[in-house]
Order: sequence, then C-alpha cells, then structure tokens
Amino acid sequence: DAGVIQSPRHEVTEMGQEVTLRCKPISGHNSLFWYRQTMMRGLELLIYFNNNVPIDDSGMPEDRFSAKMPNASFSTLKIQPSEPRDSAVYFCASSLLAGGSGANVLTFGAGSRLTVL
Amino acid sequence: GDSVTQMEGPVTLSEEAFLTINCTYTATGYPSLFWYVQYPGEGLQLLLKATKADDKGSNKGFEATYRKETTSFHLEKGSVQVSDSAVYFCVLSLNTGKLIFGQGTTLQVKP
Repeated sequence: DAGVIQSPRHEVTEMGQEVTLRCKPISGHNSLFWYRQTMMRGLELLIYFNNNVPIDDSGMPEDRFSAKMPNASFSTLKIQPSEPRDSAVYFCASSLLAGGSGANVLTFGAGSRLTVL
Repeated sequence: GDSVTQMEGPVTLSEEAFLTINCTYTATGYPSLFWYVQYPGEGLQLLLKATKADDKGSNKGFEATYRKETTSFHLEKGSVQVSDSAVYFCVLSLNTGKLIFGQGTTLQVKP
C-alpha cells in the first residue's frame, strides 16, 4: 500500500479563495482523521469519520470549514472563504479501529501545507 | 479528565548521548500508549507502542515502558544519532479509540 495520500502538498492562495484538500486513506481502514498543525496551537483534531460517517466534528473551527467522505477511499476538507489564520499544515490520517479496542494506531499522510496570503 | 504531559523542549544533545523524554498521563480505564515521531517536513509516524501495564515498546533503539504505578511512558535511547533529530509525541489511546496527543518535544542532536 502507498500509505495515506494527500494532495496538494503545497497550496498558496489569497484570502477569500476556496481551498480543497484531498485525502486517500489506506485501503481497508475504516476511520479517517483530519488534523491541523501550527506552531502556536500544535496538533489539533478537526474531524474524524468512522465508516464514512462523521463522528466528531467539534474541532472544526467554524462554518468556513467543511469535510466530506463520500466513500471509503476519499475525503475532502474544504475552507471557504479562506483567511490568513488558516495557514497551517493539514494532515489526514487513517486507521482500522476495532470496536472496544483502545489501540487506535494512526497512519498519517505527508500533509498539505496551506499558505493564505 | 484524560490528558498527556510531556517534557518541554527543545532538547539538545550531542551525538551518542543518552536520551530521555518524559511523558506522564491521566486516564480512566486501560489505555494504550504510543510514541510518534515527526521528521522535518513529514507526517507523524508510529515509533513504538505499549497496550498494557508493564509492556515495553521498542523500535530503532528507542524504548518506553508502560508504568501504571507512576502513570508514565518515558522514551529512552542509549545513544542518539543526528538522524534522530525530530519532534516526538507521546499519545494516549483511550478504549473508545479517542487519541490524546502531548504537545511534542523537539530533539536536536548535534554532531
């Protein structure tokens, strides 16, 4: 398996533009996570899906952020409109989460570095 | 509530020095514990794990022992290399599958 694949790796855009980040999880994994990493706030969980269903989106900053998982092999994180404070590295991760098991081992993608001017 | 506390960095060592990065946790139930490593410009990757008390996880010369009595999972390596320079995260995995990340400790190893 090629691992978790994210695109684009780098995105530079202007304030107000729409940004779409994409993620392909590892085949067979049933859970997908979106994280944001900044120097100021560290690593933050934005949202996670289990079997394509959003389970916890309490970390999504505001209505400008939305995430979808239309099928088991694809997810998007959209920011509309984007703002300079959204500049960060966005990571997607996936795992095979068995019911009742505490050992949730995530495999991370390489990240998408977003710069909003 | 459930939490993870790891020592603040940056930690700067000379090559071949001994490394300890402290990690303590607070949790109910029987969590699993992980160390993840993030090399510059990359995503996080699992370094080692322990799923129950007294388990020792090890990988690439790194070790950590799950100590329930002291609620700790300290990361150690006997002789660090320049290539070990990275950010290290202690992670708590609850029975629900929820993960709690420490704030990360930056390690810089100088030749």
